[in-house]
Amino acid sequence: KAGVTQTPRYLIKTRGQQVTLSCSPISGHRSVSWYQQTPGQGLQFLFEYFSETQRNKGNFPGRFSGRQFSNSRSEMNVSTLELGDSALYLCASSPVLGSYEQYFGPGTRLTVT
Amino acid sequence: DQQVKQNSPSLSVQEGRISILNCDYTNSMFDYFLWYKKYPAEGPTFLISISSIKDKNEDGRFTVFLNKSAKHLSLHIVPSQPGDSAVYFCAASAGTGGFKTIFGAGTRLFVKA
Repeated sequence: KAGVTQTPRYLIKTRGQQVTLSCSPISGHRSVSWYQQTPGQGLQFLFEYFSETQRNKGNFPGRFSGRQFSNSRSEMNVSTLELGDSALYLCASSPVLGSYEQYFGPGTRLTVT
Repeated sequence: DQQVKQNSPSLSVQEGRISILNCDYTNSMFDYFLWYKKYPAEGPTFLISISSIKDKNEDGRFTVFLNKSAKHLSLHIVPSQPGDSAVYFCAASAGTGGFKTIFGAGTRLFVKA
């Protein structure tokens, strides 16, 4: 089975721009979660989607949004980028909603200049 | 407020010796704990987990110990191998789902040949 894939792998944007990141979960997995990883902060939960519906949301501003499509693929959007948004964004999939164990993609490294 | 803390940003161990990675948590509601391993340019991969009803779980060279009274868990790797060099994340969950899973900041393990 193919693993979780994320595109693009690297991205450089300018402050004020917006960005869309994509995640394709493992085939058959219906739950997708997004995390932000910054040095010294671990993985911070952004949101979780299941069956095209956002089920949970972390403590991030409204500039961060996402969606999930009928094929379980998910996109994450960040508008009005700030320097502090520079991070590794990780997507994780699970077979069902609320699974303890998650399968992570390689991440998208976003740099905001 | 970091509910899950990995106080050692890095650890260096000689090949063949034991590696001990530590993790402390503050929320007594956490009932499931996980360790993930992350290589550069890859997403975290699940390594081992333990339920709060147990105090030890072993899987090959990897053993996780849980001390609920001290709110402390540790990952032991015996014997350590150069391929174990990676960042290790401790995670704790107060219920199922990414939303309720809190990750530590990670510990970078170097295993010297």
